[in-house]
Amino acid sequence: GAGVSQSPSNKVTEKGKDVELRCDPISGHTALYWYRQSLGQGLEFLIYFQGNSAPDKSGLPSDRFSAERTGGSVSTLTIQRTQQEDSAVYLCASSGSGTGGDRTQYFGPGTRLLVL
Amino acid sequence: AQTVTQSQPEMSVQEAETVTLSCTYDTSENNYYLFWYKQPPSRQMILVIRQEAYKQQNATENRFSVNFQKAAKSFSLKISDSQLGDTAMYFCAFTLYGGATNKLIFGTGTLLAVQP
Repeated sequence: GAGVSQSPSNKVTEKGKDVELRCDPISGHTALYWYRQSLGQGLEFLIYFQGNSAPDKSGLPSDRFSAERTGGSVSTLTIQRTQQEDSAVYLCASSGSGTGGDRTQYFGPGTRLLVL
Repeated sequence: AQTVTQSQPEMSVQEAETVTLSCTYDTSENNYYLFWYKQPPSRQMILVIRQEAYKQQNATENRFSVNFQKAAKSFSLKISDSQLGDTAMYFCAFTLYGGATNKLIFGTGTLLAVQP
């Protein structure tokens, strides 16, 4: 497709379970980002990938959160032992790695996670 | 550290009128980008307009234009001829140019309602 895609669109899980969220970036985009959007905290950066490596993981809130990217394309954000405070919309974005407009980030539709 | 402030939590405008959304930011860096993103109820974050800090000319995209005042660290968005489809949350965002990470720092958003 032409844009960033994310799956699932919505996820309901029970406290303590693990969840995996998937992001498929725009073809050719080498940079990929995960953000979290919640009522209390607004939009927060989680992690940045350049290719398959993650030079900036500074936004991951705890060691229950991890992410990987394979083949320089698809990325998976994993939340282990989910807590109710993890309930939020998780947004993925991708960009090129060049200068100027190429570094503009384009967002996917997000995954709404609800932890019961 | 960089911060972005949007001081108008909500705004309302009549269809066909003009509205201006405010954004201020704080940084000690000289090279950066500023963005306005729109998030309608569908949740998809959509790029509205982008401004490179080194450019003195204000960016314009059809009905959307910015007033970029670098010395004052101000970046307001003007929407002309407002349309019902402009109803959305608008986020101002900042990113450094050429930094180790390209993460976006967002303001808290302004909810714009266009009234018929």
